[in-house]
Amino acid sequence: GAGVSQTPSNKVTEKGKYVELRCDPISGHTALYWYRQSLGQGPEFLIYFQGTGAADDSGLPNDRFFAVRPEGSVSTLKIQRTERGDSAVYLCASSRTGVNQETQYFGPGTRLLVL
Amino acid sequence: AQSVTQLDSHVSVSEGTPVLLRCNYSSSYSPSLFWYVQHPNKGLQLLLKYTSAATLVKGINGFEAEFKKSETSFHLTKPSAHMSDAAEYFCVVRPPPGSQGNLIFGKGTKLSVKP
Repeated sequence: GAGVSQTPSNKVTEKGKYVELRCDPISGHTALYWYRQSLGQGPEFLIYFQGTGAADDSGLPNDRFFAVRPEGSVSTLKIQRTERGDSAVYLCASSRTGVNQETQYFGPGTRLLVL
Repeated sequence: AQSVTQLDSHVSVSEGTPVLLRCNYSSSYSPSLFWYVQHPNKGLQLLLKYTSAATLVKGINGFEAEFKKSETSFHLTKPSAHMSDAAEYFCVVRPPPGSQGNLIFGKGTKLSVKP
């Protein structure tokens, strides 16, 4: 079946602009995660959704970052007033129920470059 | 707090020789540990996971890892490297059951395989 998909695959924007990154999880997966991977680093957790609600947003770096999942499937990560330091690969993952030992399946990521 | 340390940022082996990628973890609880692989321009893929069953865990593509509590290690091995194994490998720890599901990644080890 289809895996996790993310769009766009690449996004170039200017400092101060607003961007939206989209994630389509595996069909039927109730848990959805966003991670950010900076150059030369491992992915870092941003936010976790269980259904429509954000169960844990402790990884969001500041209030310029926001994510939604209004119908419990597709999620959008929104970044306001982008800064050059926001340049990274943004990864989305989903799992069936979010139970601790479940496998998380990752999408290919969106590479964001802020000029 | 939980963390993982990948002891080598880059490992280079010849095709057909053994692979050893080292990982040490720090956890107050009995951890769940994972190894993920990331090929260029592809999503993270789960290689194997340890969840307190057998200490020697077998994964895909001939990889295995051994959980050693006394050494707080979870090193990844493969008897014979293949060119297709060249990728970035991440050691990952997960909070204990009952906690949120986000993963904590190491910084990664880039594996190069020479012909």
